[in-house]
Order: sequence, then C-alpha cells, then structure tokens
Amino acid sequence: DTGVSQNPRHKITKRGQNVTFRCDPISEHNRLYWYRQTLGQGPEFLTYFQNEAQLEKSRLLSDRFSAERPKGSFSTLEIQRTEQGDSAMYLCASSSNRDKNTEAFFGQGTRLTVV
Amino acid sequence: AQKITQTQPGMFVQEKEAVTLDCTYDTSDPSYGLFWYKQPSSGEMIFLIYQGSYDQQNATEGRYSLNFQKARKSANLVISASQLGDSAMYFCAMRDNTDKLIFGTGTRLQVFP
Repeated sequence: DTGVSQNPRHKITKRGQNVTFRCDPISEHNRLYWYRQTLGQGPEFLTYFQNEAQLEKSRLLSDRFSAERPKGSFSTLEIQRTEQGDSAMYLCASSSNRDKNTEAFFGQGTRLTVV
Repeated sequence: AQKITQTQPGMFVQEKEAVTLDCTYDTSDPSYGLFWYKQPSSGEMIFLIYQGSYDQQNATEGRYSLNFQKARKSANLVISASQLGDSAMYFCAMRDNTDKLIFGTGTRLQVFP
C-alpha cells in the first residue's frame, strides 16, 4: 500500500484552460475527500464520496468544478475555464468506513498555478 | 452548522517546554470525532491524534495529548517536551454525522532553541 497518490504534483495553466487532477486513494478506503488549500489557510472542504456516490458538495465548488469517482476507486477533479483565483493546492484524502471516526490519510497534493 | 475555530495564528515555545494549541468546535450532533494534523513546510498532512465525543478519557499519543472539554466544546492539543522538529502548522478538524471532515484555519508553531 503506497498511500494516497495524486497526479500531477504541479500544474501551470493559462487562464481559461481546463485542468483535471487525479487521486488514487488507499485501496480499501471507501471515503474520498477533495480539499483546496491556499497559502497560510486550512484545507477548505470541496466535496466527498462514499464509494462512487458524491454525497456532498461545498458552495465553494462552483459550476466550473466537477468531481467524479466512477468505480469507487480513483477520483478526478476537473476545473473548467480556470481563473487566477483557482490557484491553490488541491488535496485529496481517503478514509475507511470501518469506524466512522477513523482518520483521513492525505496525498501530497496538486499545486495549481493559473497564469 | 459544523465549525472549527483556532484563535491562535501563531505560537512560540522554547525547546523542551510544553505548549497548548487551542481548538473550539461547534456541532449539533452528539456523535463526532476530533482530529489534529501537523503540516510541516514540506506540505504533507500528518495525522497526530483523535478524540471521539463519547470517549471518557483524553486521548494521548506519545508527546501529544488532547485536552477534551466537552461542555466547553474545546479540544486543545498539548505537545510536551517540544522539539525543533515540531515547528509546523497544526490543524484541528472534526467529523460529525454528516461524515464531512472540516478543518480550522490552523496555528503556526515555532519552536526555538
């Protein structure tokens, strides 16, 4: 088990372009979370999945953002028509459902820079 | 609504001393979990300690302990015998029955020799 994996680690894109990030959770984990973190701030919740079901989306997740977890394994987060304000670290975390209060394990994040 | 509040943007502590990082929370659910994470400058989020709302005793993990005061809705992290490597951002987080895990704004801890 190699932990939570996120790709790419860094992404620089021009304003207006679409970007897609991938997260591979720990294999037996059925919960998967996406967060956005800007410099000096805590992770802001974006959305989460229980298996393939997207159970909640934050108001931060505008119509330009979409997340999927088609087979309940890996997940993708797509941002359409990127804006400079989208520049941030995007973190993915996963946890098991064995005990509802087990800790979440984080990936190393994808740092997005919109120029 | 769920909310986590960390009122200390930064804290300083001398090596080998103890330090307390504050966290208060708000939820209407009787069942919830409280977590502390450490984020060094390298960026990874490292889980430190967990406290369940029904746990009778305060959680401890090595040099970390959680001062859980349920009536006051506080879950302060105590780090004993601080080390230089403890310098990092520390985040308090909560998961309640919505299953959503939310974080506070963090406290930057600096340990000096």
